[in-house]
Amino acid sequence: GENVEQHPSTLSVQEGDSAVIKCTYSDSASNYFPWYKQELGKGPQLIIDIRSNVGEKKDQRIAVTLNKTAKHFSLHITETQPEDSAVYFCAPTNDYKLSFGAGTTVTVRA
Amino acid sequence: KAGVTQTPRYLIKTRGQQVTLSCSPISGHRSVSWYQQTPGQGLQFLFEYFSETQRNKGNFPGRFSGRQFSNSRSEMNVSTLELGDSALYLCASSSTADTQYFGPGTRLTVL
Repeated sequence: GENVEQHPSTLSVQEGDSAVIKCTYSDSASNYFPWYKQELGKGPQLIIDIRSNVGEKKDQRIAVTLNKTAKHFSLHITETQPEDSAVYFCAPTNDYKLSFGAGTTVTVRA
Repeated sequence: KAGVTQTPRYLIKTRGQQVTLSCSPISGHRSVSWYQQTPGQGLQFLFEYFSETQRNKGNFPGRFSGRQFSNSRSEMNVSTLELGDSALYLCASSSTADTQYFGPGTRLTVL
């Protein structure tokens, strides 16, 4: 099965600073790479995704970069705000099955 | 469009009982997947249904089962509940091969 490692497990940043979370996976057949944000008491919410034929994708303050050769992809959040505080999960996907990382708890300090 | 809905939101059962959870996907979505989320194991894939057929299955014992109806609504069943089945059970729906949208989950507590 897919082995997914997500780092760091916790991240504390000052409001306005950037945050970067890295996800490493093992299954070379994975071809879809989403990032989810989960707030307390809620289900995971898709925030950005990238497919294996693209190296980088940006959506306002959020970006994802993919290095398929090295089997890792990263989430970048710029100009962090208090509402960015949540748990973030990477979920490399192969054949409709998401394999989740252990999650990164991001805390944005005001 | 309405999002994925799950019922009930909270459930308390005792060991040995069985439970059925329900999921209504986003309108037009034909794929429904189920996940178990626990503090120790994180998010784990249970199974995925597409057009009433189980297309993928995770590594869970046979006590965990599911089905999908012709209107794409899905149910999952856990028989002979164990304490370790206490978890947040999440349902996700998809219209494409991969992009999945999650519901709020059903919090199951087994006493």
